[in-house]
Amino acid sequence: AQTVTQSQPEMSVQEAETVTLSCTYDTSESDYYLFWYKQPPSRQMILVIRQEAYKQQNATENRFSVNFQKAAKSFSLKISDSQLGDAAMYFCAYRRTRSNDMRFGAGTRLTVKP
Amino acid sequence: EAQVTQNPRYLITVTGKKLTVTCSQNMNHEYMSWYRQDPGLGLRQIYYSMNVEVTDKGDVPEGYKVSRKEKRNFPLILESPSPNQTSLYFCASSSYSGDTGELFFGEGSRLTVL
Repeated sequence: AQTVTQSQPEMSVQEAETVTLSCTYDTSESDYYLFWYKQPPSRQMILVIRQEAYKQQNATENRFSVNFQKAAKSFSLKISDSQLGDAAMYFCAYRRTRSNDMRFGAGTRLTVKP
Repeated sequence: EAQVTQNPRYLITVTGKKLTVTCSQNMNHEYMSWYRQDPGLGLRQIYYSMNVEVTDKGDVPEGYKVSRKEKRNFPLILESPSPNQTSLYFCASSSYSGDTGELFFGEGSRLTVL
């Protein structure tokens, strides 16, 4: 079964600085999606960024970007110019194309210091 | 507004008292699933449904039941809740056509079993 590992239970960053959250995954598939979801205190699961495995170009959404290393099965999230509103739990997730479930890491709690 | 709606958002119950958590989506999605979120474990899939009258077990199905009589609804039933089912529950849905891989989540239901 596919697994997703987030090795950093907690991270902190100074406001306006940059932080990188790590994620590795294990799969024998070649066609899949990777995601980062944000969960603020409201508990809502919010999609931050999505990467399709067949695309070599790293996905970017405003201040959020990923470093996708397919061979190394690594998918890190970089948050630039961190803002107080970025404080949340972040989950890395994997989903095989047209599969029935999404696999999640254990999460990384990000604190943003003013 | 496209959304997944869960009810109740909060519930405290006692061991053995049957309860149902409802889930409804208005996006005509074929695929629906239930996850539970526990500290240090991320989100784990309980049950999923590929379409009406088609359901199957996820990773942690013990103590739960589901049904899919209509495309939009996917209730989670706890016939005899126990304290180890105290958790945060999420319903999610997605579409196969034009599949982007993304799951759309409800706002979560916090369940406490005493």
